[in-house]
Amino acid sequence: AQTVTQSQPEMSVQEAETVTLSCTYDTSESDYYLFWYKQPPSRQMILVIRQEAYKQQNATENRFSVNFQKAAKSFSLKISDSQLGDAAMYFCAYRSAYGTGTASKLTFGTGTRLQVTL
Amino acid sequence: SQTIHQWPATLVQPVGSPLSLECTVEGTSNPNLYWYRQAAGRGLQLLFYSVGIGQISSEVPQNLSASRPQDRQFILSSKKLLLSDSGFYLCASSRVETQYFGPGTRLLVL
Repeated sequence: AQTVTQSQPEMSVQEAETVTLSCTYDTSESDYYLFWYKQPPSRQMILVIRQEAYKQQNATENRFSVNFQKAAKSFSLKISDSQLGDAAMYFCAYRSAYGTGTASKLTFGTGTRLQVTL
Repeated sequence: SQTIHQWPATLVQPVGSPLSLECTVEGTSNPNLYWYRQAAGRGLQLLFYSVGIGQISSEVPQNLSASRPQDRQFILSSKKLLLSDSGFYLCASSRVETQYFGPGTRLLVL
């Protein structure tokens, strides 16, 4: 079974600075998807960024980018020019590329709470 | 793009009462649908998923059940709520590999 580990329960960053959130995962599969979701105080889960394992190029969405190291099974999220609105819980998630039903479920890490200070 | 609606947004129910949470999806057809529960300060636990009308699979044996009467409608139910059913319930939808989430329902069982 796949597991996702986020070893940083809490992180803090000053406004306009850069922060990196860590995520590692364990899988025996060669093809899969990785995601970062943001959960603000409203608690709705919002997709931040997605990475396809077969793509070597790191995904980027505006101020958000990932460092995907497939061999190391590492998937970190970098937030540049941090803003107050970035304060939230961030979850890393894994999804197999094979099958449907259970195989299509997301396996989540335990989350990292990001604080943004002035 | 998909839009997922959930209601009610908040619910306070006594122990032993029934439950019905509804999730509807716009902007796609024949999605995979999921119910997750999130306890306070924790990650998400998959409860049920559905790949089509009337097709429900349960991940965790519990006091809850799910139904999918229409292609884009997913319902979470219970006949008798337990205190341990309190939590935040999220519905998600996916057409391909990415799951999109609804705004969630806060359930407090007293």
